[in-house]
Amino acid sequence: GEDVEQSLFLSVREGDSSVINCTYTDSSSTYLYWYKQEPGAGLQLLTYIFSNMDMKQDQRLTVLLNKKDKHLSLRIADTQTGDSAIYFCAETTGGGNKLTFGTGTQLKVEL
Amino acid sequence: KAGVTQTPRYLIKTRGQQVTLSCSPISGHRSVSWYQQTPGQGLQFLFEYFSETQRNKGNFPGRFSGRQFSNSRSEMNVSTLELGDSALYLCASSPRTGSIGELFFGEGSRLTVL
Repeated sequence: GEDVEQSLFLSVREGDSSVINCTYTDSSSTYLYWYKQEPGAGLQLLTYIFSNMDMKQDQRLTVLLNKKDKHLSLRIADTQTGDSAIYFCAETTGGGNKLTFGTGTQLKVEL
Repeated sequence: KAGVTQTPRYLIKTRGQQVTLSCSPISGHRSVSWYQQTPGQGLQFLFEYFSETQRNKGNFPGRFSGRQFSNSRSEMNVSTLELGDSALYLCASSPRTGSIGELFFGEGSRLTVL
């Protein structure tokens, strides 16, 4: 089946790094994504990585992809209170713009 | 550039009624996708339209339908509403279809079925 797993919660202190993990199942996925959802809002695309890449860095965000283990991670450096949100990983499946989303990880940043 | 606009933002219906939700994509975007978000099932793909044609459909009953107009605006309809249809319905637009997906989401329409 198409199950994308994430841990439900992560709590970090402001200024620390956050690492959000994701395990996906479809080895034919071509792109993998990270989205952020703040309360009452839609989803904001943070970054994406092509499946032939191992790593992608974009300012405070670092994405690591381990295709062998079907493991994707998002590292947020110098985490701020404004980073508190739910983070979803997603993979392209079935062609077109159909995404399969993970269960979401709620990140709480404490002072 | 205006973002993805969804209307209405909130609505309340009763079981058995039907509802129509609207989505205006970002100007120039030709692909519109719909997703349902619930606490229990998470985010689930409903369907995608590109150039007025349905490209993909998720595993939802036939009560869920959609369409896209020539100006790329899209509507989705849910008939014979059930309590379980209560959800946040998110619309996303993209410049293109295909595996280079880069979806821009609206803020959603929150449907409550009583």
